Amino acid sequence: DAKTTQPTSMDCAEGRAANLPCNHSTISGNEYVYWYRQIHSQGPQYIIHGLKNNETNEMASLIITEDRKSSTLILPHATLRDTAVYYCIVRLPSGSARQLTFGSGTQLTVLP
Amino acid sequence: EAEVAQSPRYKITEKSQAVAFWCDPISGHATLYWYRQILGQGPELLVQFQDESVVDDSQLPKDRFSAERLKGVDSTLKIQPAELGDSAMYLCASRSTLAGLTDTQYFGPGTRLTVL
Repeated sequence: DAKTTQPTSMDCAEGRAANLPCNHSTISGNEYVYWYRQIHSQGPQYIIHGLKNNETNEMASLIITEDRKSSTLILPHATLRDTAVYYCIVRLPSGSARQLTFGSGTQLTVLP
Repeated sequence: EAEVAQSPRYKITEKSQAVAFWCDPISGHATLYWYRQILGQGPELLVQFQDESVVDDSQLPKDRFSAERLKGVDSTLKIQPAELGDSAMYLCASRSTLAGLTDTQYFGPGTRLTVL
């Protein structure tokens, strides 16, 4: 799985968009980008994933650059409940359901 | 919405004692994972089951840790004897066999273990 680089921490004002970057410059052509988040004292929660096209669901949007070397997770209207550690994970699709390899993630703090 | 259940949520024990954690995955999920998360770090896999069979236990400290999933449904992770360095969050996750090539995993709330 390709290595990812994320900022250690970010702040965002409540109601504003939170844009969380992830660098994955060594990503290979068939590796997906996954985002999970972990609210304090809870288990990680799946947010979104994508291959090359931008993706949107009820939680967030994922923007992947054309060269696929970086991506941005967008929370369009951040709330205090979005305060969490956000993990960007790059991995091959796997029918064998291999483990997820987590880095240190980005601590997002939404400020009132 | 179906969830992964874990118990207990918190456990305090003294070193050299035995502890056990329980996980009930989402119904129908054949793949079950146990992860350990040390404070300030991301989760790391301890063991992975496919139905009742262990698929990957390469990172499980087998001298003191054991895991089982006898009927391919719920699972138990045991530590005997517990050591101070075992203090961590123990997370259980499951994955649907219908997920195909996607690797979305669903995590339980975890068990926070403190070894004194």
